[in-house]
Amino acid sequence: GQQVMQIPQYQHVQEGEDFTTYCNSSTTLSNIQWYKQRPGGHPVFLIQLVKSGEVKKQKRLTFQFGEAKKNSSLHITATQTTDVGTYFCAAGNSGGSNYKLTFGKGTLLTVNP
Amino acid sequence: DGGITQSPKYLFRKEGQNVTLSCEQNLNHDAMYWYRQDPGQGLRLIYYSQIVNDFQKGDIAEGYSVSREKKESFPLTVTSAQKNPTAFYLCASRGASGLLSYNEQFFGPGTRLTVL
Repeated sequence: GQQVMQIPQYQHVQEGEDFTTYCNSSTTLSNIQWYKQRPGGHPVFLIQLVKSGEVKKQKRLTFQFGEAKKNSSLHITATQTTDVGTYFCAAGNSGGSNYKLTFGKGTLLTVNP
Repeated sequence: DGGITQSPKYLFRKEGQNVTLSCEQNLNHDAMYWYRQDPGQGLRLIYYSQIVNDFQKGDIAEGYSVSREKKESFPLTVTSAQKNPTAFYLCASRGASGLLSYNEQFFGPGTRLTVL
């Protein structure tokens, strides 16, 4: 089945610094989603990317889907302590009635105030 | 208040016992999923169901069983055959199938199972 590699596994930053996590696949992805899980919490959907080269922004978060649809990234500008958590990418299969996600292992972000 | 509920939040069982984890949703979603989360391992798919009375194995189904008798409910049984059952179990649901715009998964708060 699909596999997605996510790096780095951990990232510690000073508040105000930028942060990026990357997701890579050896196969072309149909679509990719990003989720955030706060410590002790459950994953919460952030966004879905579908089109080649797609870029979407949510305030300080920028999401990109590669031209070849084999990689994706999440960039946070000027991190805040509220950004702390684990960020997961998840590759979706081609959809239809049998839709499922394959998650990366996540990047744990900690922010020093 | 719409959402997904999982109970209990913490569960302790002795080795060799089967245990059933509850997952209920009132979002009128067709699809439901069970994931297992271990430290540093991300989420791994155990079972999923797209419609009542039908379900498919995920990537790590061995030692687990499910049922989908009602749209709202998707209980997971961790059997004694599961070699390492201690983990955080997450249930999720998804809206209309067949449309990419409805692929967002909504997660419950999870059940942390410890087998002693």
